[in-house]
Amino acid sequence: QLQLQESGPGLVKPLETLSLTCTVSSGSISSTNYYWVWIRQPPGKGLEWIGCIFSSGTTFYNPSLRSRFTISVDPSRNQFSLEVTSVTAADMAVYYCARGKSGIDDFDVWGQGTMVTVSS
Amino acid sequence: QSVLTQPPSVSAAPGQKVTISCSGSSSNIGNKYVSWYQQLPGTAPKLLIYENDKRPSGIPDRFSGSKSGTSATLGITGLRTGDEADYYCGTWDTSLHTGVFGGGTKLTVL
Repeated sequence: QLQLQESGPGLVKPLETLSLTCTVSSGSISSTNYYWVWIRQPPGKGLEWIGCIFSSGTTFYNPSLRSRFTISVDPSRNQFSLEVTSVTAADMAVYYCARGKSGIDDFDVWGQGTMVTVSS
Repeated sequence: QSVLTQPPSVSAAPGQKVTISCSGSSSNIGNKYVSWYQQLPGTAPKLLIYENDKRPSGIPDRFSGSKSGTSATLGITGLRTGDEADYYCGTWDTSLHTGVFGGGTKLTVL
């Protein structure tokens, strides 16, 4: 069964760049039936859809976040990544990667999540 | 402010039934599939309902979903204390070109 695992620093300084990676195992990231999503959840708050990437490289971003967020894919490593520039305390959250079904838009596989703290 | 609107909390006694509403618009729920997620404390969300009313393998039939117009509803029957969790609806918004979630509903089984 396909699994997702997030990795990255648990602590970043304000105004630095946060880089997270999601590794896909027991399945291919290149499937055209699915796309790959980043979702975050600030402490005590709800889910926020950040953006997604298709195997073609096409990306979509939350309009309220787009300018600082970049999602990329590395098929050779079966990984996709999220980069967030100029982080602030508002970016503190648990970051989840997930798999989305094309045309259906549900997220059937999730990573366990990784907590990111922003502090100097 | 979430694009999809859910009640912040609902509660019911063990064994009873509860429904959670999710209200949207013609650019999201009105013409896209709705999914529902259960998030138990300290864990990642789990897909509960997809394509408005379908249950993934392993999800008991105590959980059901429906959609009408620009609203969707999650129903849970035979409530158990283990159902206490946050529940989120989600879909795609064709105007925003982005995925959207409801603000989440906290279920308390009294």
